[in-house]
Amino acid sequence: DVKVTQSSRYLVKRTGEKVFLECVQDMDHENMFWYRQDPGLGLRLIYFSYDVKMKEKGDIPEGYSVSREKKERFSLILESASTNQTSMYLCASSLNRNSPLHFGNGTRLTVT
Amino acid sequence: EDQVTQSPEALRLQEGESSSLNCSYTVSGLRGLFWYRQDPGKGPEFLFTLYSAGEEKEKERLKATLTKKESFLHITAPKPEDSATYLCAVQAGNQFYFGTGTSLTVIP
Repeated sequence: DVKVTQSSRYLVKRTGEKVFLECVQDMDHENMFWYRQDPGLGLRLIYFSYDVKMKEKGDIPEGYSVSREKKERFSLILESASTNQTSMYLCASSLNRNSPLHFGNGTRLTVT
Repeated sequence: EDQVTQSPEALRLQEGESSSLNCSYTVSGLRGLFWYRQDPGKGPEFLFTLYSAGEEKEKERLKATLTKKESFLHITAPKPEDSATYLCAVQAGNQFYFGTGTSLTVIP
């Protein structure tokens, strides 16, 4: 089974802090994704990566950046956290561009 | 505009009462349709992939079907442990489009 591990289940941060969300997958998947999930809005794509050191913007990249230095690890960075970034953050991976996404259990981030 | 719509938003069933969830989509160049189950506070769990109209997939009490405009997730004789939110996603090109889900509650 695919295992996608997100480093934290819950995080509480203050406005203006720099926040790092880490994600690791153990199945040698090519592609990795970061989504946020909000009630009534569904899942929205923040950034994705099809290869090491490669990244592409999703639908809502503003206020975020990413890093993929190793194939198995994809990090999401909130440069200066704001209260409107309070959300559930979901990391996903897929074997290739024709495969389904496999999700981690999410990080619930609260920015106060 | 590419779009995925799920209905109903919420569904309450008695244990054993079969029903169907709907996912309708308007995308160009469908590459695949995916169903996920999401429990509260957890990430979506992959259930099925459907690639072409007429295709069906089954897993225990769940059966997914696909037409050119929509997919159905049929739940036969549901149990309380089937209670969850069911998400539908469509892949067009390299993009995944998600619906907002159907929240299913199965009452014992």
